[in-house]
Amino acid sequence: DQQVKQNSPSLSVQEGRISILNCDYTNSMFDYFLWYKKYPAEGPTFLISISSIKDKNEDGRFTVFLNKSAKHLSLHIVPSQPGDSAVYFCAASVGSNSGYALNFGKGTSLLVTP
Amino acid sequence: GAVVSQHPSWVICKSGTSVKIECRSLDFQATTMFWYRQFPKQSLMLMATSNEGSKATYEQGVEKDKFLINHASLTLSTLTVTSAHPEDSSFYICSAREEIYGYTFGSGTRLTVV
Repeated sequence: DQQVKQNSPSLSVQEGRISILNCDYTNSMFDYFLWYKKYPAEGPTFLISISSIKDKNEDGRFTVFLNKSAKHLSLHIVPSQPGDSAVYFCAASVGSNSGYALNFGKGTSLLVTP
Repeated sequence: GAVVSQHPSWVICKSGTSVKIECRSLDFQATTMFWYRQFPKQSLMLMATSNEGSKATYEQGVEKDKFLINHASLTLSTLTVTSAHPEDSSFYICSAREEIYGYTFGSGTRLTVV
């Protein structure tokens, strides 16, 4: 049962524009959320995270928004760059301590065109 | 930052043989490591949680006798795919959580069983 859902398998955005990647979750116990970027045949690399006590976290061009009531989070990338082209995974966890694994969505493949 | 070194990066083996995948945490001790598997265009699915000095905890549907996990030290966890079959061909990734840098992933192992 997929507890973290990324309903858009792919997204194409023009360079310089905003990329918005969406993620929904069903488990109300999740309180720690992360976004990862992944290239083919490589492990995921961490982008940004947010805990449930916040509704926004920003790091450079990346901003994550959390709407707990809707069980929805989104990753905004602005401005988008061709190097951002990759698969983006949303992940969620119960707590942020070492005992809990991450639950991943299926990923959204982002293509940023020049 | 924290680094998890995973080897081999790719392996091709004959059906019926066993393959061992190693994950080492560099510069930090990982009491818990997580093993994931990813099929094409699918999410990273948790297979098992590996705890140093104790038995691994397997997710539902994952055969513990087929996917042997050993976490003999605080810096090394191994996954052995026993009697591999073509349906075991997948991308296997390990992960550990470090207190400061959070979840860190290995680079993954592409297993192809022929």
